[in-house]
Amino acid sequence: GEDVEQSLFLSVREGDSSVINCTYTDSSSTYLYWYKQEPGAGLQLLTYIFSNMDMKQDQRLTVLLNKKDKHLSLRIADTQTGDSAIYFCAETLLGTASKLTFGTGTRLQVTL
Amino acid sequence: DAGVTQSPTHLIKTRGQQVTLRCSPKSGHDTVSWYQQALGQGPQFIFQYYEEEERQRGNFPDRFSGHQFPNYSSELNVNALLLGDSALYLCASSALAGINEQFFGPGTRLTVL
Repeated sequence: GEDVEQSLFLSVREGDSSVINCTYTDSSSTYLYWYKQEPGAGLQLLTYIFSNMDMKQDQRLTVLLNKKDKHLSLRIADTQTGDSAIYFCAETLLGTASKLTFGTGTRLQVTL
Repeated sequence: DAGVTQSPTHLIKTRGQQVTLRCSPKSGHDTVSWYQQALGQGPQFIFQYYEEEERQRGNFPDRFSGHQFPNYSSELNVNALLLGDSALYLCASSALAGINEQFFGPGTRLTVL
């Protein structure tokens, strides 16, 4: 079945790297996504990775995918206070087109 | 280029009432999906519309219905509102050719009293 898990909270200091983790259970994932949600706002697509890739880098963001362990991570380099938000991982499954299944979200707090 | 827009931004209803939420997709997008996000939770897929038809549906009762218009905009209707329907309702649009990229609107905050 579909199940996406995330840790609830992460606190990092400004300038450090943040690593947000996600695990999923369904091996038929096609794409895996990271979305950012700031307070009172909708979801902003940060990046996504095709399920047959291991890594994707986009400026300060690095996505790592371990398909064997069904583990996805998002690394934010040089974390800034503007990165404080809730981060959701999500997946789409084979045969379900663009239906997104989201995790519960990780709240990232960046301290000075 | 306007992104995904939703209206209204906030709405207060009482139990048993009916509500209609509206969404205009990003320019060039023809597919609209609706999600419900309860407080402290991740969004849950309600349904998706393409070519004015419902393509997929999540685990939501028939009280939740939708429509897509020829200009690709969409409505979400909820009948017989329950307290548990209080949530942020998010609309996402995508171009079918690039369905791996979905862009979300700011949402409509529905409060049911």
